[in-house]
Amino acid sequence: EVQLLESGGGLVQPGGSLRLSCAASGFTFSSYAMTWVRQAPGRGLEWVSTVGGGGDDKYYADSVKGRFTISRDNSKNTLFLQVSSLRAEDTAVYYCAKDDSGGSYSNHWGQGTLVTVSS
Amino acid sequence: QLVLTQSPSASASLGASVKLTCTLSSGHSSHGIAWHQQQPEKGPRFLMKLNSDGSHSKGDGIPDRFSGSSSGAERYLTISSLQSEDEADYYCQTWATGIRVFGGGTKLTVL
Repeated sequence: EVQLLESGGGLVQPGGSLRLSCAASGFTFSSYAMTWVRQAPGRGLEWVSTVGGGGDDKYYADSVKGRFTISRDNSKNTLFLQVSSLRAEDTAVYYCAKDDSGGSYSNHWGQGTLVTVSS
Repeated sequence: QLVLTQSPSASASLGASVKLTCTLSSGHSSHGIAWHQQQPEKGPRFLMKLNSDGSHSKGDGIPDRFSGSSSGAERYLTISSLQSEDEADYYCQTWATGIRVFGGGTKLTVL
């Protein structure tokens, strides 16, 4: 059974940083692209970033480019999202998701971790 | 520009059927999509991948009551024999090289 468990969220001041983690199990982690998606309070889903299985191919939404960094440690089956220069509009639940074998869409989701940006 | 458009809300009665629509922007009518369900206060759940020809592959444990179909740039999710737990937000998602796109979501109310 695929399991994805996010952690690392919390309250942070504007301009601050956090490192989100996603512990994966139940599948061959290094064989799949992984994605972060966020959801601001009362809003819809917003794609944030995707990393290929090997960790070299990385893609970002324009709204976070230059501020967020996606990475993965395949030896520890863990996905990361370093979020920096945070703004109030980055307040959201951040979900980790496993992609399909073609790296096109997410077919398993975690339960999310809440990031609140406020002074 | 790759955009997905969904109606903000839909409603149907318990036991009835409902058809939700996701429309691809001009020039992208051959794209496949994925449908996701998000029940209140929960994380999203993958329902199915839906191709432009209407063929679809469902996620683990998704009931037969959920089906997909396509026509031109429109992608549909049909839920039959509606149950109370089907009351949720439904999102479509598509992709291109280096980008993923979500529709705005449809909030389904089961009356």
